[in-house]
Amino acid sequence: AQKITQTQPGMFVQEKEAVTLDCTYDTSDPSYGLFWYKQPSSGEMIFLIYQGSYDQQNATEGRYSLNFQKARKSANLVISASQLGDSAMYFCAMREGYTNAGKSTFGDGTTLTVKP
Amino acid sequence: GAVVSQHPSWVICKSGTSVKIECRSLDFQATTMFWYRQFPKQSLMLMATSNEGSKATYEQGVEKDKFLINHASLTLSTLTVTSAHPEDSSFYICSASTGTSNQPQHFGDGTRLSIL
Repeated sequence: AQKITQTQPGMFVQEKEAVTLDCTYDTSDPSYGLFWYKQPSSGEMIFLIYQGSYDQQNATEGRYSLNFQKARKSANLVISASQLGDSAMYFCAMREGYTNAGKSTFGDGTTLTVKP
Repeated sequence: GAVVSQHPSWVICKSGTSVKIECRSLDFQATTMFWYRQFPKQSLMLMATSNEGSKATYEQGVEKDKFLINHASLTLSTLTVTSAHPEDSSFYICSASTGTSNQPQHFGDGTRLSIL
């Protein structure tokens, strides 16, 4: 079974509107971290936001927020006030356990297109 | 902080050539680095985990004799694609971890490899 599932291959949003990118995960480890990365067409991976499994509150970073529903094992990314520069591929990822040698598992990604 | 430099950005070479890609952590020590391969519009596929001073751990299906990984210091890991062929053409990207699972991976900007 896939550990990270992103069910939306592509999404469109109108500029200045909000958009939610879905991510569900599967793990039996009580300690894990969930991450969202942005990958523009130039290829670099940009870290956006982090949510820890023990965090009580949803993470927020500027226009990015994470809707963390632990019981449902979902960690959706919400981008508010979309901008043209938000057009990119977005990856949800998970790291399990405490060690820094822990691998990240990535979802298949969602391509977001912001329309002017 | 936590900058990872990857070189070269682009490589175009003839079939049969060996190509070396460098991944450097510029302002931190990375005991563990990861090498990924990515096809267009697809997710990152982990090829191997590179540990300083020891042999790399390759993922299932990745040819260790084809993709040689060396992590000779705490700031440098190299991936050598030996006797490259057109099917090795891809986007290769490295990352390094600075701490525990609540820390994001820090990615290089990637290398686009084209084998003619």
